[in-house]
Parts: sequence; structure tokens; C-alpha cells
Amino acid sequence: QITLKESGPTLVKPTQTLTLTCTFSGFSFSTSGVGVGWIRQSPGKALEWLALIYWDDDKRYSPSLKSRLSITKDTSKNQVVLTMTNMDPVDTATYYCAHRTSYYYGSGTYYNWFDPWGQGTLVTVSS
Amino acid sequence: DIQMTQSPSSLSASVGDRVTITCRASQTISSHLNWYQHKPGKAPKLLIYAASSLQSGVPSRFSGSGSGTDFTLTISSLQPEDFATYYCQQSYGTPGTFGQGTKVEIK
Repeated sequence: QITLKESGPTLVKPTQTLTLTCTFSGFSFSTSGVGVGWIRQSPGKALEWLALIYWDDDKRYSPSLKSRLSITKDTSKNQVVLTMTNMDPVDTATYYCAHRTSYYYGSGTYYNWFDPWGQGTLVTVSS
Repeated sequence: DIQMTQSPSSLSASVGDRVTITCRASQTISSHLNWYQHKPGKAPKLLIYAASSLQSGVPSRFSGSGSGTDFTLTISSLQPEDFATYYCQQSYGTPGTFGQGTKVEIK
């Protein structure tokens, strides 16, 4: 059974750097195709894809936030860490991490999806 | 970024109703489309992957269809536990953008 859990501060001040940790079990980065992503949801808004890290340490970021984001993994601890610099009140959101599954359908086609997700952690940005 | 547009943004329906939600991509994404159900205070739950494949454990009243740019999520007979917000997500490009969501409310 795969589980993920986010942890980090619930309150950060504007301009500070946010560091969130996703601790997971039930899978390993030693498995080809595995990835962990971060997604957030601001109050009353839609889900927003933030970043993704793959088993081979390849990293992808949302272009609109790329300059502020960093994603890393600690394979020995089964953790993925997301840092976001220069936090602003508009970054107030529930932050989720999720396991990314990649499945080969043949003919060079891979499909991928997020399942399962962590329960999320609410981060408020306020002075 | 690939833009995903869902419609409607909300709907009211009764238990037993057939519900259809549509999702349109700003460019062709083949069948790289996933659907999630999200309830307040809960983790989003995968319903459908690769446009039409039902995730294990998800009731068969949920189905997905479409390819290219136009996709549909159908709930054949709405149940009380289905009242939630539904999101489509494209996994063709990075970032894997989500639609704006469709809130399904009780009529």
C-alpha cells in the first residue's frame, strides 16, 4: 500500500522560503518510472501542478513558478522536499504531494497519473 | 502550457441522475487525460486514467471517453457519495495542467 504525507510549517511570512517534506512508503525511487509530484490548491481555486521529480533525478517545474521552486529527493529517507522562495500571500494554499505512476501501453506510449495523493498540508502566508 | 477547460463549472443534480462533465484541451493530447474526484478536506482521488481506463476500486458508474482535444466524464447514476468537485488533468506535457473543476451539488 502506497502512502504519502506532507509536513512543514503552517504559517510563513511574506518573502520567506517555504520548505515542505513529503514522506512516503510503499514504493521506492529505485523503481524505474517512479515519480513524486507536488500540487497545490489555493482557497476557492483549482488544482495547480507545481513540480515533479523522477526516479532518475530528472526534475520538472511549472514554468510560471520555476524560478522560485526546487524539488529534491532523499532516497534513503523515502522523502521528497519542495522549497519555494519569496513566499507571498497568494501562495496561501493546501499543498499536496502525490505518487506518479507511469505505464507503458506499447508503441512507445507511456501514460502517467497521480495516485495516491497525500492528505495535504495548509500553508498560510501572512505577516 | 496546455490549457484545460471544463464545463460546466458547477451543476445541480439528483441522486440517480446521469451526469456528464466535459473537458477540452487547448491542443491535442491523444488520450493523456486523467479524472480526479475531490471532496473538501480530503485527498484528490483518481477515477479515470488514459482517458477511459477505470482505476481499480472505482465504481463502474464512472466512465471516461474521448481523445485528441475533447473528453467526457460520465456518472451513470449519481449516488450521494458522488457529490464532490471533479477535475480533469492532462499528462501529455509539462506542466500537467488541471481543468478549473466542476462542482457537483445536490439538487
